[in-house]
Amino acid sequence: KAGVTQTPRYLIKTRGQQVTLSCSPISGHRSVSWYQQTPGQGLQFLFEYFSETQRNKGNFPGRFSGRQFSNSRSEMNVSTLELGDSALYLCASSFGRSGYEQYFGPGTRLTVT
Amino acid sequence: AQSVTQLDSQVPVFEEAPVELRCNYSSSVSVYLFWYVQYPNQGLQLLLKYLSGSTLVKGINGFEAEFNKSQTSFHLRKPSVHISDTAEYFCAVSDRSGGGADGLTFGKGTHLIIQP
Repeated sequence: KAGVTQTPRYLIKTRGQQVTLSCSPISGHRSVSWYQQTPGQGLQFLFEYFSETQRNKGNFPGRFSGRQFSNSRSEMNVSTLELGDSALYLCASSFGRSGYEQYFGPGTRLTVT
Repeated sequence: AQSVTQLDSQVPVFEEAPVELRCNYSSSVSVYLFWYVQYPNQGLQLLLKYLSGSTLVKGINGFEAEFNKSQTSFHLRKPSVHISDTAEYFCAVSDRSGGGADGLTFGKGTHLIIQP
């Protein structure tokens, strides 16, 4: 069974721009979660989607948003990029509720200049 | 809310020696516990998990961990490490009562360095 895939793997954007990241979960998984990983803050929970509904959101500004489609694929959008948004963005999928067991993708490395 | 403390940011160990990576958590509710490993330029891979039942859980690559509720700890152990175990290890918890909707709370990670 194919794992979680994320596209693109690397991205360079300029401050003020917006970006959309994509995540395809493992087939049959209905829950998708997003995390931001930085050297300073570590791994932080962004939000989780289950059956196209956002169930919870971490402590991030409204510039960070996401959605989930009927096929469980998910996108994450960051508007008005700031230098501090440079990070590895990880997507994780799980069959049921995300808190039980999550499988992570390789991540998208976003660099904001 | 939960928090996770990984007491060592870096642990150097000689090859074939045993290792223990320490993890303590704080939570006002019951939790699920996980250990993940991250190799350079890769995502996180689940090593093992504690959901319920036996407090000693075995995972992949010869790793095991023991849940100690009284000490709120979930330390990771391996009896004999290999060069290939060099990686970043993350301890994580999720809120059992919330059905997992709050996502995982991670520790800061422990860099395991295997010396030949």
